[in-house]
Amino acid sequence: AQSVTQPDIHITVSEGASLELRCNYSYGATPYLFWYVQSPGQGLQLLLKYFSGDTLVQGIKGFEAEFKRSQSSFNLRKPSVHWSDAAEYFCAVGAGNSGYALNFGKGTSLLVTP
Amino acid sequence: DAGVTQSPTHLIKTRGQHVTLRCSPISGHKSVSWYQQVLGQGPQFIFQYYEKEERGRGNFPDRFSARQFPNYSSELNVNALLLGDSALYLCASSYSTGNTEAFFGQGTRLTVV
Repeated sequence: AQSVTQPDIHITVSEGASLELRCNYSYGATPYLFWYVQSPGQGLQLLLKYFSGDTLVQGIKGFEAEFKRSQSSFNLRKPSVHWSDAAEYFCAVGAGNSGYALNFGKGTSLLVTP
Repeated sequence: DAGVTQSPTHLIKTRGQHVTLRCSPISGHKSVSWYQQVLGQGPQFIFQYYEKEERGRGNFPDRFSARQFPNYSSELNVNALLLGDSALYLCASSYSTGNTEAFFGQGTRLTVV
């Protein structure tokens, strides 16, 4: 069965500092991987996705993520964090051909300090 | 273009009651999925519908049911509500099943008292 682990429940970074949010997955085949962001009381917004091809994917709002098959990881990065990036971030894995049931991690809450 | 719309945005129900949540997908999208997000957790998959047929079901009791209408809108029904059903219910629409991008609505916040 597929699963997603986000090891960090909370992360605090200073505005302007770099950010890396960790995501590890467990899946037998090539996974479809996603990062979503959720502001308080809001729905989910897709930041980026990986289906195949180049393992470094670019997303919206200056985010990028790198798929590393050998480490079963799909970490999210941003070189310089803005206060507006404070939110909950979810990594998800999809089963692809068997439907579109996304399996989400428990999320990482990002706090940005001045 | 309108995004995924869900109604109502908030509601409060009493234990044992029934609730119906509604979702309208993005125009042209034929697949709707439902997720339950309990406070402090990631969303959990409940159902996926495509072309009015159920294509996937998560690990939820039979009290949960759904359907999709000819215009691709969808309803999620929950019977015999329990306190533990209190959550944010999210609807996601996509053009089809498989590796296509899913767009989420703002959710319906259900509180069971």
